[in-house]
Amino acid sequence: AQTVTQSQPEMSVQEAETVTLSCTYDTSESDYYLFWYKQPPSRQMILVIRQEAYKQQNATENRFSVNFQKAAKSFSLKISDSQLGDAAMYFCALLDSNYQLIWGAGTKLIIKP
Amino acid sequence: DADVTQTPRNRITKTGKRIMLECSQTKGHDRMYWYRQDPGLGLRLIYYSFDVKDINKGEISDGYSVSRQAQAKFSLSLESAIPNQTALYFCATSVGVSETQYFGPGTRLLVL
Repeated sequence: AQTVTQSQPEMSVQEAETVTLSCTYDTSESDYYLFWYKQPPSRQMILVIRQEAYKQQNATENRFSVNFQKAAKSFSLKISDSQLGDAAMYFCALLDSNYQLIWGAGTKLIIKP
Repeated sequence: DADVTQTPRNRITKTGKRIMLECSQTKGHDRMYWYRQDPGLGLRLIYYSFDVKDINKGEISDGYSVSRQAQAKFSLSLESAIPNQTALYFCATSVGVSETQYFGPGTRLLVL
């Protein structure tokens, strides 16, 4: 069975600093997609970043970047220059071969002003 | 205007009642999904549909049914609501190669 694990229930960071959220996964597939979604208090689920497993280059979106380690099955999210608006739950997700998203339990990110 | 809309946004109902949650999208995507989210958990898939004639059960379909009325509309029904169906329900859509799923704003359901 495919699984996604986020081992940090909660993280905190000082505003303007950098924070890294961890995600590990398990799959027997060689080609797959990985995602980070953000869920602010408004509860809307917002795509942060996407990574195709066949691409060695780590995805980046402005202040958000990933460290994708395929052999280690690790997919961490780095947020640079943290802002108050980054405070949210962050979910890591794996798209399986049936095109279904497998979700981690989430990490609550707190930004300290 | 939102690309994926859900109605109602909040609903309180009683045990045993039938309730329908509706999802509409203007993104032109073929694939639509229904998830539920419970506190402390990620999302769990209830049903998904790859087109109007293709509907599939997800991880937790018991107690739920769906209807794909058109490419743009996908409804979730609870035939006889029970308290442990209290949750936040999300509809999502996706298309083709990228498979990125785009979510509606969610419906918060409370079953008393």
